[in-house]
Amino acid sequence: AQKITQTQPGMFVQEKEAVTLDCTYDTSDQSYGLFWYKQPSSGEMIFLIYQGSYDEQNATEGRYSLNFQKARKSANLVISASQLGDSAMYFCAMRSPNAGGTSYGKLTFGQGTILTVHP
Amino acid sequence: DAGVTQSPTHLIKTRGQQVTLRCSPKSGHDTVSWYQQALGQGPQFIFQYYEEEERQRGNFPDRFSGHQFPNYSSELNVNALWLGDSALYLCASSSYTGELFFGEGSRLTVL
Repeated sequence: AQKITQTQPGMFVQEKEAVTLDCTYDTSDQSYGLFWYKQPSSGEMIFLIYQGSYDEQNATEGRYSLNFQKARKSANLVISASQLGDSAMYFCAMRSPNAGGTSYGKLTFGQGTILTVHP
Repeated sequence: DAGVTQSPTHLIKTRGQQVTLRCSPKSGHDTVSWYQQALGQGPQFIFQYYEEEERQRGNFPDRFSGHQFPNYSSELNVNALWLGDSALYLCASSSYTGELFFGEGSRLTVL
């Protein structure tokens, strides 16, 4: 079974500062994918960044980077130069291998971290 | 090109009633997944449909059932509603190109 753990229920950061959101995972699969999603109060899940288990370099997408430490089973999200619009719930998720001919495996989510950016 | 659309956006039901939620996937997507997100929690996988069949299922009782139509749209049905079913229900569609998109969800309140 797969498990995602996010130990920070809430985080605060000053505008323009960097912040790290923690994520650890557990899986017996050799091939897996790790994701970070942002969920504003509207409810929509917004994709931020993806890291494949065989990717040797850490993923980056604009102000987002993923600090992937495979041996420690951690996949922390780093947001640089925080903006007020970054205030939201953030979820770490893991994708299982595809099953039953489907084009995409199921996602297992952590409990989330509420990020508040102060001006 | 519309993304994933879900209906209704909000609804209120009473205990014991039945509810049907609908999802239209993004154009070109063939797989639909449903997730339940209780307040303050992460989404939990309910089930996944491909080629009109349920392919994977999470740890949810048989009261939760679904369907996928030939046009790839999908329905989630929940029978005998109880208070604990109150949640945001998210639909996600995907394709073999590796895309996965979520809808904005249907917020169900059970009184």
